[in-house]
Amino acid sequence: QVQLVQSGAEVKKPGASVNVSCKASEHTLTTYYMHWVRQAPGQGLEWMGIINPSGGSTSYTQKFQGRVTMTRDTSTSTVYMELSSLRSEDTAVYYCAREYVDTTMVTSFYYGMDVWGQGTTVTVSS
Amino acid sequence: SYELTQPPSVSVSPGQTASITCSGDKLGNKYACWYQQKPGQSPVLVIYQDTKRPSGIPERFSGSNSGNTATLTISGTQAMDEADYYCQAWDSSTVIFGGGTKLTVL
Repeated sequence: QVQLVQSGAEVKKPGASVNVSCKASEHTLTTYYMHWVRQAPGQGLEWMGIINPSGGSTSYTQKFQGRVTMTRDTSTSTVYMELSSLRSEDTAVYYCAREYVDTTMVTSFYYGMDVWGQGTTVTVSS
Repeated sequence: SYELTQPPSVSVSPGQTASITCSGDKLGNKYACWYQQKPGQSPVLVIYQDTKRPSGIPERFSGSNSGNTATLTISGTQAMDEADYYCQAWDSSTVIFGGGTKLTVL
């Protein structure tokens, strides 16, 4: 069964950086888009960005531009999300999720985020 | 920036039909997805490409999308369907989530 296994909970001080990993099964990273989504306590889902399976290019939502870096290591089938200059508002559960997107036609066909990691709790506190 | 709007809460009696809406400008021209999230759990995809159910999702879950509104319909709602539901769409290479709807089965 396909799984995305994330790294464990983190506690960080304001101004620090956090690196969350997400290990996928073989071939996932070269076939599926990999999303990062976060959820603050009691709040909704917030999309952060994505890694493209073709070449590993990235796209980030404007809110996190300059603070987030998403990378991948295809040799270990792992994607990483680093968030820097942490503040208390970054306290949240961070999820990775995969999505298949068919880009062979003029119009892309999106298949939804069908597999999610278990989530990584990041707490930012002084 | 593009926005998706959902009602904060919807209530339904067991066995009845629940409808959760998601509104956005010309949303019908995009594909809508729906996710179910229970407390302390990761989201689960229940509808993609407006109307399609992933393997393992019960038939009582269905979706539609036209004009400015996508709708998730749960027929014969069960107590286990009580959860938060989020709609999602792509807009200009960006993923947008709705604010979420808490479905209460009472």
